[in-house]
Amino acid sequence: AQSVTQLGSHVSVSEGALVLLRCNYSSSVPPYLFWYVQYPNQGLQLLLKYTSAATLVKGINGFEAEFKKSETSFHLTKPSAHMSDAAEYFCAVSFQGAQKLVFGQGTRLTINP
Amino acid sequence: EPEVTQTPSHQVTQMGQEVILRCVPISNHLYFYWYRQILGQKVEFLVSFYNNEISEKSEIFDDQFSVERPDGSNFTLKIRSTKLEDSAMYFCASSGDLQPYEQYFGPGTRLTVT
Repeated sequence: AQSVTQLGSHVSVSEGALVLLRCNYSSSVPPYLFWYVQYPNQGLQLLLKYTSAATLVKGINGFEAEFKKSETSFHLTKPSAHMSDAAEYFCAVSFQGAQKLVFGQGTRLTINP
Repeated sequence: EPEVTQTPSHQVTQMGQEVILRCVPISNHLYFYWYRQILGQKVEFLVSFYNNEISEKSEIFDDQFSVERPDGSNFTLKIRSTKLEDSAMYFCASSGDLQPYEQYFGPGTRLTVT
């Protein structure tokens, strides 16, 4: 079955430290991949997307993600965390060109001063 | 920058009542979606809508749900007889015809059924 897994429901890092949020999917065909961010009491904002072009994708707010077909992963990284990065992050996948998005369970990122 | 808007931001209703959640998608978008997020759970797909008809729906989207595009700008989700388990955040999204999988989400409507 096609699924999306985010490893770690809660990640805590210090300000200035590397942020790494993990996302794996299960599909035999490379899908389209997305990361969304949700700030408290707000909607889902598109951070970045992979749609079969460059495997290293840069997004807003200094985030980037790398698509690794062999690992069926699309992990989100940021070299240096900022307090304003505290939010919930969702990996989402469009399998085989389907319009609907399948979401992971989300990872809550906390930044320690 | 164009954005998806939703009203109301919070709706409280009694079990068995009908509710209509409203969305105004981005103006040149052609694909429209509803998702929901029960507190503490994943965001789940409900339905997609294109060319004035449902293009895909999930198992959640049963007969008590319906969608409509009553005019050129609004997109609505109706729940006919609400249940306690319908309490959730409901997100509307839209996408354009060139990249229909790239969806832009509204801020959500929090529905509380008592």
